[in-house]
Amino acid sequence: GQQVMQIPQYQHVQEGEDFTTYCNSSTTLSNIQWYKQRPGGHPVFLIQLVKSGEVKKQKRLTFQFGEAKKNSSLHITATQTTDVGTYFCAGDVTGNQFYFGTGTSLTVIP
Amino acid sequence: NAGVTQTPKFRILKIGQSMTLQCTQDMNHNYMYWYRQDPGMGLKLIYYSVGAGITDKGEVPNGYNVSRSTTEDFPLRLELAAPSQTSVYFCASSSQGGQSPLHFGNGTRLTVT
Repeated sequence: GQQVMQIPQYQHVQEGEDFTTYCNSSTTLSNIQWYKQRPGGHPVFLIQLVKSGEVKKQKRLTFQFGEAKKNSSLHITATQTTDVGTYFCAGDVTGNQFYFGTGTSLTVIP
Repeated sequence: NAGVTQTPKFRILKIGQSMTLQCTQDMNHNYMYWYRQDPGMGLKLIYYSVGAGITDKGEVPNGYNVSRSTTEDFPLRLELAAPSQTSVYFCASSSQGGQSPLHFGNGTRLTVT
């Protein structure tokens, strides 16, 4: 079945360091979305990537979609304590549903 | 707008009991979803609906049932609750299925003992 894996599962960084999480799908995706979930909260949509090789930026966050549309990454430059949370990728294959990755939990040490 | 509203926020069930998790959205979205999230894990799709009167199974449908009689409401029914159903349940909606963002409710934390 469809699988979307993320690495690493956990990441601890000092405030100001960079952070990257990687997402890999077993099948080609039509698009990929990224979500952030704060502790005790619900996932909140960050961005959607559709095109092969697409790169999008949101302030200190950079999102990439692989050329084969089977992998993606989220990079945060100069992390802040407000970046704490779990980051999920979610891949769409069928057009109706998303398969969520396992998530990367980010801890930022002040 | 309220967005996606889930009730209850917390519930404790005994093994074998039944309950319905309520979900309603006021954004006129056709697509609605139920996910479960186990501690330290990602979200697994239980059931989804592409419109009123239409439902389909996701990755982990066993032990659950859904209905979609209106665009706004998408309740999730647990029959014969089991400890394996202890989880946080999220309802979500989107306007264009896999082509648009998911809007999540605040979740229901369910414990089955």
